[in-house]
Amino acid sequence: EIVLTQSPGTLSLSPGERATLSCRASQRVSSYYLAWYQQKPGQAPRLLISGASSRATGIPDRFSGGGSGTDFTLTITRLEPEDFAVYYCQQYGGSARTFGQGTKVEIK
Amino acid sequence: QVQLQESGPGLVKPSETLSLTCTLSGGSISGYYWNWIRQSPGKGLEWIGFIYYSGNTNYNPSLRSRVTISLDTSKNQFSLNLTSVTAADTAVYYCARDWGYMDVWGKGTTVTVSS
Repeated sequence: EIVLTQSPGTLSLSPGERATLSCRASQRVSSYYLAWYQQKPGQAPRLLISGASSRATGIPDRFSGGGSGTDFTLTITRLEPEDFAVYYCQQYGGSARTFGQGTKVEIK
Repeated sequence: QVQLQESGPGLVKPSETLSLTCTLSGGSISGYYWNWIRQSPGKGLEWIGFIYYSGNTNYNPSLRSRVTISLDTSKNQFSLNLTSVTAADTAVYYCARDWGYMDVWGKGTTVTVSS
């Protein structure tokens, strides 16, 4: 089973700042098989990024994904008020699916 | 527009079986994986398992002994059975469509395990 470790646990930033979130896998994950989700309180997760770097339909271009192998990042270039939420990475390289434990982006 | 809706009891007694159904509208079961994911209060997302449209399944090893996911293509539904529940199974349960990544999610249903 591939374990995903996200860091930091909490990121305290101000609107307009840049957020960089990390997702590290316990073994190599093909770049095609890494996704990122955003979850706001009381809501279901929303797909942001698939294939490590492809934005889902309707996702603003301030969200970008990158990385390869075991290290992946989600970058939000300029935080908008609606971006304060919890973000999860997920791998689907094997037959099973696993999620990271999440990074909370909170208003400083 | 593809939508998913979870349904089932909101309260289950300890040691009993939790049963939920996810109903698909606006799309087809064919060609996708269909997942169950849960989120305990204040915690992260935990993948429970999926069923492929062909009927093949895969489950989280930590839950495998208690989980069954089944499919009813005639009703555009898939279901989750989780046996011998305890308070640790109290969570919001989500269903989701999966190409590998999960692009369509239900809104979730809260299940509490309590006597």
